[in-house]
Amino acid sequence: AQSVTQLDSQVPVFEEAPVELRCNYSSSVSVYLFWYVQYPNQGLQLLLKYLSGSTLVKGINGFEAEFNKSQTSFHLRKPSVHISDTAEYFCAVSDPDSWGKLQFGAGTQVVVTP
Amino acid sequence: ETGVTQSPTHLIKTRGQQVTLRCSSQSGHNTVSWYQQALGQGPQFIFQYYREEENGRGNFPPRFSGLQFPNYSSELNVNALELDDSALYLCASSTDRGKTGELFFGEGSRLTVL
Repeated sequence: AQSVTQLDSQVPVFEEAPVELRCNYSSSVSVYLFWYVQYPNQGLQLLLKYLSGSTLVKGINGFEAEFNKSQTSFHLRKPSVHISDTAEYFCAVSDPDSWGKLQFGAGTQVVVTP
Repeated sequence: ETGVTQSPTHLIKTRGQQVTLRCSSQSGHNTVSWYQQALGQGPQFIFQYYREEENGRGNFPPRFSGLQFPNYSSELNVNALELDDSALYLCASSTDRGKTGELFFGEGSRLTVL
């Protein structure tokens, strides 16, 4: 079974500073990878996804992630954060033949302060 | 375009009771997946329904059951509630079992079991 490890439970960051959220997954076979964001009292929203192709994936709100197969990682980055980026971020993985059945990490809480 | 809606938003039950949670999928979506998100954790996959049939199930006991209706809305039923069932229950809709890799989540139903 797949598993996802988000290495940081909380990341404090100052406004306009860069941020990186780390994600490692367990599988050595083909996987689909996702980052979702959850704002307070809301459902999850897709930031970006990797299905195949270019290992650098660009998403919404200025986020990007890089798929590294050899390190089984899919780290999320943003060069300059805003207060509105304060939220919980979840990395998720699925098998290519198990669409829609995601295995989520425990989440990383990003707190942006002025 | 109508998004994913869930009801009720909050509810309180006692141990041993039964609960039904409802989800209306986004227009044009034929797949609904249910997730359980315990406090401080990532969502865990419960099951998926595709065109009214169960299409995959996570590691949840049989007292968790579901239905999908011809209009693709869905219900999650939990019998014999236990304290550990207290969680946010998220519904996600998609097309064709999530083939595009994107799930659209509702805001969830928060269940408290006393």
